[in-house]
Amino acid sequence: EAGVAQSPRYKIIEKRQSVAFWCNPISGHATLYWYQQILGQGPKLLIQFQNNGVVDDSQLPKDRFSAERLKGVDSTLKIQPAKLEDSAVYLCASSLRHLNSPLHFGNGTRLTVT
Amino acid sequence: DQQVKQNSPSLSVQEGRISILNCDYTNSMFDYFLWYKKYPAEGPTFLISISSIKDKNEDGRFTVFLNKSAKHLSLHIVPSQPGDSAVYFCAASASTNAGKSTFGDGTTLTVKP
Repeated sequence: EAGVAQSPRYKIIEKRQSVAFWCNPISGHATLYWYQQILGQGPKLLIQFQNNGVVDDSQLPKDRFSAERLKGVDSTLKIQPAKLEDSAVYLCASSLRHLNSPLHFGNGTRLTVT
Repeated sequence: DQQVKQNSPSLSVQEGRISILNCDYTNSMFDYFLWYKKYPAEGPTFLISISSIKDKNEDGRFTVFLNKSAKHLSLHIVPSQPGDSAVYFCAASASTNAGKSTFGDGTTLTVKP
């Protein structure tokens, strides 16, 4: 079974620039999540999709962050404009169902905003 | 407010001994708990889970204990091996909240040969 694929692995941008991350979940996984992990902290949920619908985006800074999951498969997360405090690892995860199902994480994208 | 807390940032144990990692939670709606293991430059990987209807779940060298009255869970690793050295995250979710997982800040385990 292929795992969750994320790209790019690393990205360095200047503040006020824009950036996009891509995620391809495990085949057949209906639920997809984007987490932000700041150094020294645990992953924090940004947005949760069930198929191509948003289940929870209460922690997503909607003035600068956006995410979509077209056709219920791949997903992209965008930041525009980036701030210094957005420097973090952005983790994509998927699960077979949204209740009582472990998350399968990708290796993340490490974003550095200078 | 941090709903899932791992109060020990680090733990060091000798190979062959028991490792005990602790986790506390505050939200009484949490009914499913998971432990993830993370190596550097990789994403977290699922290790073991427990439902709130149980107080213990065992999988090989790994056992998770849940004390609902104390809102506390622990992960026991016996015997500990050098390959267990990693960051361990405790996570909790509530079926009333679409299964959204809330993570602790992790405990770095070092197993010395």
